Amino acid sequence: QLQLQESGPGLVKPSETLSLTCTVSGGSISSSSYYWGWIRQPPGKGLEWIGSIYYSGSTYYNPSLKSRVTISVDTSKNQFSLKLSSVTAADTAVYYCARLVVRYFDLWGRGTLVTVSS
Amino acid sequence: SYELTQPPSVSVSPGQTARITCSGDALPKKYAYWYQQKSGQAPVLVIYEDSKRPSGIPERFSGSSSGTMATLTISGAQVEDEADYYCYSTDSSGNPLFGGGTKLTVL
Repeated sequence: QLQLQESGPGLVKPSETLSLTCTVSGGSISSSSYYWGWIRQPPGKGLEWIGSIYYSGSTYYNPSLKSRVTISVDTSKNQFSLKLSSVTAADTAVYYCARLVVRYFDLWGRGTLVTVSS
Repeated sequence: SYELTQPPSVSVSPGQTARITCSGDALPKKYAYWYQQKSGQAPVLVIYEDSKRPSGIPERFSGSSSGTMATLTISGAQVEDEADYYCYSTDSSGNPLFGGGTKLTVL
């Protein structure tokens, strides 16, 4: 059964770059049927899509975050990654990685809390 | 910008029918999806493509869509259905979009 697991620092300083990795196990990230995505959820608030990537490296991003986001894929490690630059306290959130089937997310990781604080 | 609008909260007694709505101008042309998120957990898909139920989701969960409104119905809501529910769709560019979420209380 396919599983996704987020990993990365739980604390990032303001103005620095947040970096997270999602490891896919139990299946190949190179499947032509899926995209892969990042979603975040600030404490006590709703879900916000950040961006998505295909195994070929094709990406698309939330326009409101596009200037600060880079998503990349490493098919040899079955991983994809998120970088969010110039973070502020408003970027404090639980970050989820998920599998995107055509139009929707069908499998999610458990999420990882990233706090932006000095 | 395009938005999906949900009521902040819905409350029902156990055994009653809960209905959660999601309003969006593009819904006549776009599918609606619904996610259930229990406290401290990742979201789980409960309805896809307006009205389809993934395997493992109880039959009491159903979905419908008409015009600019999609509805998640939980027939005979149970205490364990208490959670936040998010509608989801895509905008005109195909970008994913979540509604603001509805807190369902069953008591």
